[in-house]
Amino acid sequence: EIVLTQSPATLSLSPGERATLSCRASQSVISYLAWYQQKPGQAPRLLIYDTSNRATGIPARFSGSGSGTDFTLTISSLEPEDFAVYYCQQRYHWPPLTFGGGTKVEIK
Amino acid sequence: QVQLVESGGGVVQPGRSLGLSCAASGFTFTDFGMHWVRQAPGKGLEWVAVILSDGSNKYYADSVKGRFTISRDNSKNTLYLQMNSLRAEDTAMYYCARGPKAGTTTMIIDYWGQGTLVAVSS
Repeated sequence: EIVLTQSPATLSLSPGERATLSCRASQSVISYLAWYQQKPGQAPRLLIYDTSNRATGIPARFSGSGSGTDFTLTISSLEPEDFAVYYCQQRYHWPPLTFGGGTKVEIK
Repeated sequence: QVQLVESGGGVVQPGRSLGLSCAASGFTFTDFGMHWVRQAPGKGLEWVAVILSDGSNKYYADSVKGRFTISRDNSKNTLYLQMNSLRAEDTAMYYCARGPKAGTTTMIIDYWGQGTLVAVSS
């Protein structure tokens, strides 16, 4: 099973700042990594798939990069609605599909 | 628009069974595989199971293998999860989610329902 480790656990930033979230895989997942956003009381929402492809309707301030074992989600300028928990997920080795433990982006 | 509506959650005693349903609309159900993903209170996401579009292939997390069964009725556009021998650690919000297109195993989870809560407690 591939273990995904996200860092930091919590990121405290102000609106307008840049957010950089990390996801590290225990073995290579090539480019088969996705990112999801989850707000309190809501279901997760797909942001990015296969490292760098934005899902339908996702703003351009969200971008993804990386390959192999190290991946990054960048939010170029935080909007008030971006404060949430973010999860990475790999689909290279399955079953099982696995998720990271999440990074909470909170208002500083 | 894609809609996934789960139902069937509730409080159940350890060792008992419970069945969940997910009604799908806004897309051609038979064109997609479907997942169940769960989230324990205050915790992260855990993939539970996937069923491919024609129902021929099913895959499970080790934590539920042998106890849970995923199925679908393509005539009713509905996904199911039968959960037997429930344990306290199965307590979670259970999400139905859209999976791979027919003929592929591209496990991108692109749409999620709002979830149904299962609590296993005596």
